Amino acid sequence: QVQLQESGPGLVKPSETLSLSCTVSGGSITSANYYWNWIRQPAGKGLEWIGRIYIRESTNYNPSLKSRVTISVDTSKNQFSLKLTSVTAADTAVYYCARGGSLIMARYGMDVWGQGTTVTVSS
Amino acid sequence: DVVMTQSPLSLPVTLGQPASISCRSSQSLVYTDANTYLNWFQQRPGQSPRRLIYKVSNRDSGVPDRFSGSGSGTDFTLKISRVEADDVGVYYCMQGTHWPYTFGQGTKLEIK
Repeated sequence: QVQLQESGPGLVKPSETLSLSCTVSGGSITSANYYWNWIRQPAGKGLEWIGRIYIRESTNYNPSLKSRVTISVDTSKNQFSLKLTSVTAADTAVYYCARGGSLIMARYGMDVWGQGTTVTVSS
Repeated sequence: DVVMTQSPLSLPVTLGQPASISCRSSQSLVYTDANTYLNWFQQRPGQSPRRLIYKVSNRDSGVPDRFSGSGSGTDFTLKISRVEADDVGVYYCMQGTHWPYTFGQGTKLEIK
């Protein structure tokens, strides 16, 4: 059974870069069957899809964040990562990594989620 | 972006009674392949979201048949036939038809 686990600093200073990793266990991150996604949720608010990566190279980002976001894969660690630059207090949220299907199944949303990690942007 | 609007935002329900959540999209969710990519997620308190239903009415494995989804075009509904204590949480609709994928603001279901 596939499991996802987020990791990274819980506190980031304004204007700096937020960096998170998601370790995939029980399955290969290079599988052609899946996209690997990042979603975030500010405290008490709804879900915002950040972006996704497919087989190392193909990425899609939410246009609202595209200029600041990079998602990449480290196949040696079976991990994928999120970098968000120039953060502000508005980027404070719980960040989730999640698996989604590939091809048309990507439109079904995410079927496996990590437990989430809280990131606070504050000096 | 496609705006997903849920109602009600708060839903107090008596145990054993039915519940219904509405989700409306600002554009039709019918994709060029004639399918409609509207999905539902449940987020129990302190937990990660969990997908319940995909493509309007298809239940995920392990989801009780008390949960059902319906709708077309821009209007969709999630129904719970008999609410149980385990159903408490926030429910989100999500569209996968238009880029970027977007979520509704959530409906909080609580027990009266």
